[in-house]
Amino acid sequence: ETGVTQSPTHLIKTRGQQVTLRCSSQSGHNTVSWYQQALGQGPQFIFQYYREEENGRGNFPPRFSGLQFPNYSSELNVNALELDDSALYLCASSLGTSYSYNEQFFGPGTRLTVL
Amino acid sequence: RKEVEQDPGPFNVPEGATVAFNCTYSNSASQSFFWYRQDCRKEPKLLMSVYSSGNEDGRFTAQLNRASQYISLLIRDSKLSDSATYLCVVDYGQNFVFGPGTRLSVLP
Repeated sequence: ETGVTQSPTHLIKTRGQQVTLRCSSQSGHNTVSWYQQALGQGPQFIFQYYREEENGRGNFPPRFSGLQFPNYSSELNVNALELDDSALYLCASSLGTSYSYNEQFFGPGTRLTVL
Repeated sequence: RKEVEQDPGPFNVPEGATVAFNCTYSNSASQSFFWYRQDCRKEPKLLMSVYSSGNEDGRFTAQLNRASQYISLLIRDSKLSDSATYLCVVDYGQNFVFGPGTRLSVLP
């Protein structure tokens, strides 16, 4: 296993609610990236955190926000949930800010269902 | 052109077959390339990095053609346990871009 953990494993919310997902990175890793994976598609990059700062963002609206803590664990917050937010949310940890040759290791994901 | 494209699949092959996956990318500045496999309802797991000279790991061979912006993965002597979705991953500077994946089913 990668040593990356996520909680909760499953979550059901209703439209308009807010959700917080959590991720603990692999020991020694200082970078966490978050992805959204809809059914039948590849993961889509949401954003990355390095040493508590956002270090890159994909094409997601501002209601997707995050945090990284001094121990490099991270949270993903989604406000005003929409039906299309239903997906598997994956976090991946890696070492350093440069993606070149820095493999990412994924946690098991949180499956979010928005009703 | 999409950032990362893969064969649409699915591929259904008998055990022992050789199967090839193809991937193209649009960012000529990309430096890092990977293949991940993803089992149903599980997280992606790194299968192998792809180096310019090509690389092999047991039954798996990955190749990169920078001029054509093309990556391939070859699986020889396929096993039932190889059944999964194979994701091509390319760096686009500040983020990794995943292809949509190609599903492989190895049949007994």
